[in-house]
Amino acid sequence: EPEVTQTPSHQVTQMGQEVILRCVPISNHLYFYWYRQILGQKVEFLVSFYNNEISEKSEIFDDQFSVERPDGSNFTLKIRSTKLEDSAMYFCGIRQGAISEQFFGPGTRLTVL
Amino acid sequence: KNQVEQSPQSLIILEGKNCTLQCNYTVSPFSNLRWYKQDTGRGPVSLTIMTFSENTKSNGRYTATLDADTKQSSLHITASQLSDSASYICVVTGFGNEKLTFGTGTRLTIIP
Repeated sequence: EPEVTQTPSHQVTQMGQEVILRCVPISNHLYFYWYRQILGQKVEFLVSFYNNEISEKSEIFDDQFSVERPDGSNFTLKIRSTKLEDSAMYFCGIRQGAISEQFFGPGTRLTVL
Repeated sequence: KNQVEQSPQSLIILEGKNCTLQCNYTVSPFSNLRWYKQDTGRGPVSLTIMTFSENTKSNGRYTATLDADTKQSSLHITASQLSDSASYICVVTGFGNEKLTFGTGTRLTIIP
């Protein structure tokens, strides 16, 4: 199974601040995803990213969110002005294989105070 | 609206026993269905993935079934171990899109 790392493992921030979450796949991958999981709730799709473009996004992924792959390796999720309700685990996903096998990173726990 | 429902919500069984978890979905058109294991505070780990044409797939002590006609899947765990304690999540992908629809999961607890 490919290794995916995420940094930081835990981020604490003040409401209104910007945060950047990072995903680093070890191998070359073309398809990237971000998901979030609010404590006690199910995992929710945020966005998919292919060929340096957003291919699909959910209604959660509003103008406060953005993604990019600035150096061709790291895949980042930026939240421009965090809200209390952004507190959650954020998982990066990568895809490889003909039938869309997806693998998840260990997650970043974001706490907004 | 695409939905994935899982049952039971939680389950407690003795070590060594078998169990079966259920998943019903309404995602259409259907592409594939996956089962993931998620330990608390960790990312989901893939157990199985099945496409429309597959009706069973095994991964060690885990066996998943799929009935695409009734839109149901099950995950059977044989000879449970303490390390099987986790949440088991059913995830469905629709045909032609990238979005995964997650179930709420079954919280499985194995007791010695």
